[in-house]
Amino acid sequence: SQKIEQNSEALNIQEGKTATLTCNYTNYSPAYLQWYRQDPGRGPVFLLLIRENEKEKRKERLKVTFDTTLKQSLFHITASQPADSATYLCALDLSGTASKLTFGTGTRLQVTL
Amino acid sequence: KAGVTQTPRYLIKTRGQQVTLSCSPISGHRSVSWYQQTPGQGLQFLFEYFSETQRNKGNFPGRFSGRQFSNSRSEMNVSTLELGDSALYLCASSAGQGTGEKLFFGSGTQLSVL
Repeated sequence: SQKIEQNSEALNIQEGKTATLTCNYTNYSPAYLQWYRQDPGRGPVFLLLIRENEKEKRKERLKVTFDTTLKQSLFHITASQPADSATYLCALDLSGTASKLTFGTGTRLQVTL
Repeated sequence: KAGVTQTPRYLIKTRGQQVTLSCSPISGHRSVSWYQQTPGQGLQFLFEYFSETQRNKGNFPGRFSGRQFSNSRSEMNVSTLELGDSALYLCASSAGQGTGEKLFFGSGTQLSVL
């Protein structure tokens, strides 16, 4: 069955550094992959989508890469700020309809001063 | 545009009871999906409704059911509650027109079963 793995441990980094989060998946070739941010007690918020024919996508301080050979996506936050502290989730569409996303368990990012 | 609204925000029930959760999607969105989030299992897909019809279903027992109304508002019902049903229940809306759409989530309903 499909498995999506993210860094299970929390990631602690210093303000101003680049945070890199990993999303690995098995047994599937997704057409695209999404990243969401979730704050405690809130629902996830969409950040970026990258398609299988795109190697890299950027949005402000965010960058996502997608390596379909390695079955891996990397999510980078450059010049990180304490406000970036949250849990970041990657998600794949396994059903062909956008609504049935399979989410990774998320990586909790803590940015300290 | 108003975001996705879920009510109530918090619920406390006892085992054996039933519960109904409500979700109002973003105006114009016809797809509403429901997810259960727990610390151990993460976010798990329950079901999706599009134009009042269930279009997708996850691997949850029949105690979990839902429906969608003509105005796209959706309700989710859990009957005969079990302790393990304690979770954050999230609904998400989208236009539902194709793949690659982003989901817009509500803040969820935190259900505690005692």
